[in-house]
Amino acid sequence: AQTVTQSQPEMSVQEAETVTLSCTYDTSESNYYLFWYKQPPSRQMILVIRQEAYKQQNATENRFSVNFQKAAKSFSLKISDSQLGDTAMYFCAFMNYGGSQGNLIFGKGTKLSVKP
Amino acid sequence: GAVVSQHPSWVICKSGTSVKIECRSLDFQATTMFWYRQFPKQSLMLMATSNEGSKATYEQGVEKDKFLINHASLTLSTLTVTSAHPEDSSFYICSAYFFGLAGSASTDTQYFGPGTRLTVL
Repeated sequence: AQTVTQSQPEMSVQEAETVTLSCTYDTSESNYYLFWYKQPPSRQMILVIRQEAYKQQNATENRFSVNFQKAAKSFSLKISDSQLGDTAMYFCAFMNYGGSQGNLIFGKGTKLSVKP
Repeated sequence: GAVVSQHPSWVICKSGTSVKIECRSLDFQATTMFWYRQFPKQSLMLMATSNEGSKATYEQGVEKDKFLINHASLTLSTLTVTSAHPEDSSFYICSAYFFGLAGSASTDTQYFGPGTRLTVL
């Protein structure tokens, strides 16, 4: 069974600085998707970034980028120029590729605080 | 991005009553919808998976007779908490999953509703 591990329960960063959130996963599959979701205090789950395992290029979305290391089964999220609105819980998630069900397996989350 | 609505956003009810929560995908047709429960400071716990026109698949430990799921169309799923008790108080979140040709939503991605806070007195 697949598992997702986020080893940093809490992190903090100064506004405008860069922070990296860690995520590792375990799977025997070769094709899959990885996601980072953000859950701010409003508790709305927001998709931050999505990576397809068969793509070698790391995904980027504005200030958010990932470092996807397939062999190491690592999928870290880098937030550049941190903003106060980035304060949230961040969940790393895994999805098998090609399935019609689309089940997500979540990590336990990392609480990020951006300080002014 | 795709939009998923959830209604109501919060509800307070008396013990023993039933509560219905609606989940709608507004700008895409969802092949599958998911229902989650989230306890404070914890990750999301999957309760059930539903496909339009089919019976829902419940996760181990989730009472199917207490948490009734109806998936009436490709854009609407409902969760009914029957005979609610204080221990059912929680934050419930739905998501809609799109699989296939790309449209306004990214394929093979779950999009989440804003959640429903249920308090049972």
